[in-house]
Amino acid sequence: ETGVTQSPTHLIKTRGQQVTLRCSSQSGHNTVSWYQQALGQGPQFIFQYYREEENGRGNFPPRFSGLQFPNYSSELNVNALELDDSALYLCASSPGVQASSYEQYFGPGTRLTVT
Amino acid sequence: AQKVTQAQTEISVVEKEDVTLDCVYETRDTTYYLFWYKQPPSGELVFLIRRNSFDEQNEISGRYSWNFQKSTSSFNFTITASQVVDSAVYFCALSEGRNNNDMRFGAGTRLTVKP
Repeated sequence: ETGVTQSPTHLIKTRGQQVTLRCSSQSGHNTVSWYQQALGQGPQFIFQYYREEENGRGNFPPRFSGLQFPNYSSELNVNALELDDSALYLCASSPGVQASSYEQYFGPGTRLTVT
Repeated sequence: AQKVTQAQTEISVVEKEDVTLDCVYETRDTTYYLFWYKQPPSGELVFLIRRNSFDEQNEISGRYSWNFQKSTSSFNFTITASQVVDSAVYFCALSEGRNNNDMRFGAGTRLTVKP
């Protein structure tokens, strides 16, 4: 069984640019959540996608957007990059949205550096 | 608003010592879920345990044990006879309601186990 994979592993962008991060969910998982983890801090919830629809969003501006595809893989897009966007971006997948039944499985993350 | 506090930023122990990682949470919901995750240097968060708000039984899994006390809003994690491989950052997290979106993480505790 293939776990959650993310690409790229590392990325360096310039302030003002746009970036797309990708996540392949674990087989059989229809739910994907994205988190931002700044250095030395815990992950912060960005948003979740369930069966291709956004299912909850954290306190992030609209320049953070996402997509989920029919195969349940997902993209995180960030426009107009700012220096504070430098972080580890984690993707997590689960077989469903019920917290009582489904834990989240995390990928290794994409390290984004904005200069 | 939900909140998770991990007051211990870093802990260092010598192998075979027992160590307890503290977690205090805040929530107004009566239904919520608490989690512990381990983040090794590779960056991938590894699920350790989920506990719902209606089940205050303590749990033991090998060298790991968890103490959930609603009266003090705490969900502490103890590693018995620590090993070098236990060195990692440990996160406590809270998810309100029945869905697993918007999981709130604490800032994490970095555990170093020295040989």
